[in-house]
Amino acid sequence: NAGVTQTPKFRVLKTGQSMTLLCAQDMNHEYMYWYRQDPGMGLRLIHYSVGEGTTAKGEVPDGYNVSRLKKQNFLLGLESAAPSQTSVYFCASSYSMTANYGYTFGSGTRLTVV
Amino acid sequence: GDSVTQMEGPVTLSEEAFLTINCTYTATGYPSLFWYVQYPGEGLQLLLKATKADDKGSNKGFEATYRKETTSFHLEKGSVQVSDSAVYFCALSDPGGKLIFGQGTELSVKP
Repeated sequence: NAGVTQTPKFRVLKTGQSMTLLCAQDMNHEYMYWYRQDPGMGLRLIHYSVGEGTTAKGEVPDGYNVSRLKKQNFLLGLESAAPSQTSVYFCASSYSMTANYGYTFGSGTRLTVV
Repeated sequence: GDSVTQMEGPVTLSEEAFLTINCTYTATGYPSLFWYVQYPGEGLQLLLKATKADDKGSNKGFEATYRKETTSFHLEKGSVQVSDSAVYFCALSDPGGKLIFGQGTELSVKP
């Protein structure tokens, strides 16, 4: 089925460890986004990309890095995980930068940092 | 900056009850407004949207009207079902086109 696929679905990290979350979409969307979801705070934008080879900072970028080497993939990296990065991470993609077309979301990655 | 505020949850209703989830926004310009729904264990799905003042978005029995004068976009449904249990997010598009979300409202519908 066409859509956005996130891997892994669950992960537990120790403080200071690193990891990469993978987001893949097969809809040929130009725009991709990484959000984190925390209780009582909704979704907050971490980084986004407007096309292959481009990335930009969102609302809460500190502690994260991203790469968009291929149009269909958007990677989110944590170089040195901290307990404050315990969250559910969602990737999304869209056809246009205009949100009117709607975003397609992945099913999320639940990350716990101990 | 632009922001969205939703009523706090959880909201617990009996089946066939009337639902209202309040959403107000602060924005420069005239953003498009959205409601997204997140079912347990899943990502967010677009439920409905409105792109200009007085527009009404509707889908699956849910409705919301873009009210510029009160800067509101309240979600309503006349008769909820157990299957409507989910978290509902109000959102707006910022001047750059990106989505800004409210904090989400959890709805639980009991048989």
